[in-house]
Amino acid sequence: DGGITQSPKYLFRKEGQNVTLSCEQNLNHDAMYWYRQDPGQGLRLIYYSQIVNDFQKGDIAEGYSVSREKKESFPLTVTSAQKNPTAFYLCASSNTRRAAYEQYFGPGTRLTVT
Amino acid sequence: GIQVEQSPPDLILQEGANSTLRCNFSDSVNNLQWFHQNPWGQLINLFYIPSGTKQNGRLSATTVATERYSLLYISSSQTTDSGVYFCAGVKTGANNLFFGTGTRLTVIP
Repeated sequence: DGGITQSPKYLFRKEGQNVTLSCEQNLNHDAMYWYRQDPGQGLRLIYYSQIVNDFQKGDIAEGYSVSREKKESFPLTVTSAQKNPTAFYLCASSNTRRAAYEQYFGPGTRLTVT
Repeated sequence: GIQVEQSPPDLILQEGANSTLRCNFSDSVNNLQWFHQNPWGQLINLFYIPSGTKQNGRLSATTVATERYSLLYISSSQTTDSGVYFCAGVKTGANNLFFGTGTRLTVIP
């Protein structure tokens, strides 16, 4: 089955710890994205990557880091510098050579930091 | 970025009723998508519709790009239509989607 997988589904961490969220896609998409969703809100872009070994900050990149060593994978690290890390995190991908920027989303990871 | 305004913010329908959801953009967009977020948080692609009209079963969407708005029509609503509907657009010349705050739809039997 082609798609986007995110793991884990739920993640609990203590304040001060870094945590890495996984995102993998087998759609052969070039571009990948990380969004954050807070309760009752829309999605906001954290980071995106249009090609391997390259990525750009989105609107709320502070306290986050990413890597793109493989086309299929775009992990997100939530660092201890992120002031309010508890949120729902969604990964997306798109094939920029077809319908430009039509994005498809994974099932999300709910992160709770206490 | 761009501002994306969705209306109404909340909508309660009796099963079988029709509804129209609206999305207004503060600036021109060259990509517009509608999504349905189910109760488990999964975002389901409904339409990629930068302009014109598309239909998929009981759902259809129309985007009038020159007037910077899009409409999502749901006909003969079912309880499984419940959830939050988001529209999102990419500003001309930019790379990322900007999301509205959504319309929360509840369909009651």
